[in-house]
Amino acid sequence: DAKTTQPPSMDCAEGRAANLPCNHSTISGNEYVYWYRQIHSQGPQYIIHGLKNNETNEMASLIITEDRKSSTLILPHATLRDTAVYYCIVSYGQNFVFGPGTRLSVLP
Amino acid sequence: ETGVTQTPRHLVMGMTNKKSLKCEQHLGHNAMYWYKQSAKKPLELMFVYNFKEQTENNSVPSRFSPECPNSSHLFLHLHTLQPEDSALYLCASSKGGGREAFFGQGTRLTVV
Repeated sequence: DAKTTQPPSMDCAEGRAANLPCNHSTISGNEYVYWYRQIHSQGPQYIIHGLKNNETNEMASLIITEDRKSSTLILPHATLRDTAVYYCIVSYGQNFVFGPGTRLSVLP
Repeated sequence: ETGVTQTPRHLVMGMTNKKSLKCEQHLGHNAMYWYKQSAKKPLELMFVYNFKEQTENNSVPSRFSPECPNSSHLFLHLHTLQPEDSALYLCASSKGGGREAFFGQGTRLTVV
């Protein structure tokens, strides 16, 4: 079973920041938080991952709380092409178990 | 392009057929995975291989038979499938050690 809880759906206005929350209260000390997204039943696309510190790359930022029990994926300027299902996963980096994710709709 | 290639992209097979799905990566990854995604459902992890050894089998029916001849190639052999096995089958690979996994584009399988 997935060890994360995400809202089933969210809307975001185009050009605004999209903030996707994830709860992972049972995360173990050496488990990472990974984010993927899936567009139109293509293969999931890796976005970002982190262990303790906040991370940023060209796609997104990942904010992990100090107690590591929750995190937020931030898409700084959402576009229509960011409409997808976003998955938050906790893993040691071997078995990646997917939950239902959050369906993000970016609205014009 | 993730570096993980799956063939074929689409497959239609009868319930008495035998077919194989192929996955290939030349990323130097040592872990490879098969996932199944039925319509409007989350991905289900089927099999995991580490250094060619199977380390996970999530109660997958025996009509699905994986094979990992080397760290770069992974196959899923299919025989006597049922219509409910129609789904998107996804392959992924990772380097382990906390590194991310990369996914192929999947094989859309239809069993008739």
